[in-house]
Amino acid sequence: DTEVTQTPKHLVMGMTNKKSLKCEQHMGHRAMYWYKQKAKKPPELMFVYSYEKLSINESVPSRFSPECPNSSLLNLHLHALQPEDSALYLCASSQGLAGRPYNEQFFGPGTRLTVL
Amino acid sequence: DAKTTQPNSMESNEEEPVHLPCNHSTISGTDYIHWYRQLPSQGPEYVIHGLTSNVNNRMASLAIAEDRKSSTLILHRATLRDAAVYYCILRPFYSGNTGKLIFGQGTTLQVKP
Repeated sequence: DTEVTQTPKHLVMGMTNKKSLKCEQHMGHRAMYWYKQKAKKPPELMFVYSYEKLSINESVPSRFSPECPNSSLLNLHLHALQPEDSALYLCASSQGLAGRPYNEQFFGPGTRLTVL
Repeated sequence: DAKTTQPNSMESNEEEPVHLPCNHSTISGTDYIHWYRQLPSQGPEYVIHGLTSNVNNRMASLAIAEDRKSSTLILHRATLRDAAVYYCILRPFYSGNTGKLIFGQGTTLQVKP
């Protein structure tokens, strides 16, 4: 199984809602990532988990809260988002330590989030 | 982090080879060169990577200049399914490496039937 799955595929939420995005992989990867991609722009890194520990937070606002409950699962909890947070949220995973430059990252299809 | 420069867009005819260039004149000796592509409405997909020598895999070939200041991704026979945004990314090898992929604007490849 060389797949990263993300649920839901689409999400529409109001600014006062709380929702969560889920990402799962069963490749035994120990590094997992959240990226954000605005329309017609390249993806930008948000968070990196390495061996279930948060290793990088790219100055993301606290209304985004990541969680890595186990080595296969990565969540992104959303609360009090703004309309400008509407974007495609991509999850990725890779083998071993996150910083190994010769390891490829496997991406999921993303969750398309719309904040009203 | 070293920067990459790619053309904004390229066109190709179906079943012809495509050469996608990338300039990285400030590359350091231990930076790996990676290529990813993103098909419409999908997440990015790894294509190939290399350090110094040319590399081949089932998807593409990577030709790296002798001075490593540029590289070329080669699709040997373009198909309509190869229409995508292609990103050339440098990944440094040092202890502080976070695993972050820094995507530039990439090259949008159009394939004409």
